[in-house]
Amino acid sequence: QSVLTQPPSVSGAPGQRVTISCTGSSSNIGAGFDVHWYQQLPRTAPKLLIYVNSNRPSGVPDRFSGSKSGTSASLAITGLQAEDEADYYCQSYDSSLSGSVVFGGGTKLTVL
Amino acid sequence: EVQLLESGGGLVQPGGSLRLSCAASGFTFSSYVMTWVRQAPGKGLEWVSGISGSGGVTYYADSVKGRFTIARDNAKNTLYLQMNSLRDEDTAVFYCAKDEPPYCAGDCYQDSWGQGTLVTVSS
Repeated sequence: QSVLTQPPSVSGAPGQRVTISCTGSSSNIGAGFDVHWYQQLPRTAPKLLIYVNSNRPSGVPDRFSGSKSGTSASLAITGLQAEDEADYYCQSYDSSLSGSVVFGGGTKLTVL
Repeated sequence: EVQLLESGGGLVQPGGSLRLSCAASGFTFSSYVMTWVRQAPGKGLEWVSGISGSGGVTYYADSVKGRFTIARDNAKNTLYLQMNSLRDEDTAVFYCAKDEPPYCAGDCYQDSWGQGTLVTVSS
């Protein structure tokens, strides 16, 4: 059971908009800690997609956006493309845990 | 260009030991927290351990505390993970990653990842 909760799967047709939620608690997202998002294409290493809630690294298309509110965060993908089919993970910091870095369970995005 | 190259994975029996290495290049290694993240077959990402730039501060997930030891050699630009008392549930691909921002403490993110090395614990 992950500290950060994500839907196991989402899907959308090419060109559509999808969102992936990441729900935490008062010891992580709700405490003000930042949320980061990673994209993992099949059989590859994870790649940083969004950092500090809503910032995109160089090279990440502006079709990807992130937001945070209260104890939750969201990743939105607009203009869905076939190459977006991947697993997506949120990450934050949790003040109640010894190691403190926590990932969501991951969401599989299927492009129909 | 940042490059991270893990090595040292393989097949080991339960109770055995293994040491992973991660050779880093393309950045000032000693300025950055480094992290190990693992992924069991068909499962999600799990943060394992982190180490400060100087090596003086280390962090561990409860699942590996007391069994794994993270270390770094800044002269060799290399990160290590010594894994002892390995269990079946430690079977995973282990990734090393570079944290941002420099000298971050806790609330960091991983902006560069290696390709991973597979550790299989089985008799």
